[in-house]
Amino acid sequence: SAVISQKPSRDICQRGTSLTIQCQVDSQVTMMFWYRQQPGQSLTLIATANQGSEATYESGFVIDKFPISRPNLTFSTLTVSNMSPEDSSIYLCGGGLSSGNTIYFGEGSWLTVV
Amino acid sequence: KQEVTQIPAALSVPEGENLVLNCSFTDSAIYNLQWFRQDPGKGLTSLLLIQSSQREQTSGRLNASLDKSSGRSTLYIAASQPGDSATYLCAVSGSARQLTFGSGTQLTVLP
Repeated sequence: SAVISQKPSRDICQRGTSLTIQCQVDSQVTMMFWYRQQPGQSLTLIATANQGSEATYESGFVIDKFPISRPNLTFSTLTVSNMSPEDSSIYLCGGGLSSGNTIYFGEGSWLTVV
Repeated sequence: KQEVTQIPAALSVPEGENLVLNCSFTDSAIYNLQWFRQDPGKGLTSLLLIQSSQREQTSGRLNASLDKSSGRSTLYIAASQPGDSATYLCAVSGSARQLTFGSGTQLTVLP
């Protein structure tokens, strides 16, 4: 299995600012994903984080708003840029090992934009 | 585009009951299906994964089945306990391993 740690776990942010969320995995994972869970909703895929190259974004999500880095097989960051109250969500990092198909998730980062 | 539906949206049962949660998906070309548990204020805990070639998986009091051709999966929880209270999410994976999630079933087990 894989243990995924996210920082920060919770934050209150001012409108117009940006925040970077870190995701650290205790094992090398081939796949890393970033999801958003808006209040009362299920999870929506933002992007797949690719090691050493640009992330692959889903429809409705753009790099300027959600820049992602993945410098190696155990670490990734998601920045939420120019935040508005609509960005208040839980952001979750998920990862999959090469040895299996299970996707593991961290505890999430709870962002509130005021 | 894959769509995942979970029924019911909420379920309340007395302790000790056996229960079934349902999940359906529109595109049967899935790679695997995963069931997760989410406690309030927490992330996701993986419960079971069923490969597309499998029919079911069991872990303790949990049993998940998969009927890929009809686009359905069920999660069976035996002898429910108050500690089972959580939201249960079903997610299907395509070949690129991205998960598409259902909206979840919020389970409450009453003591």
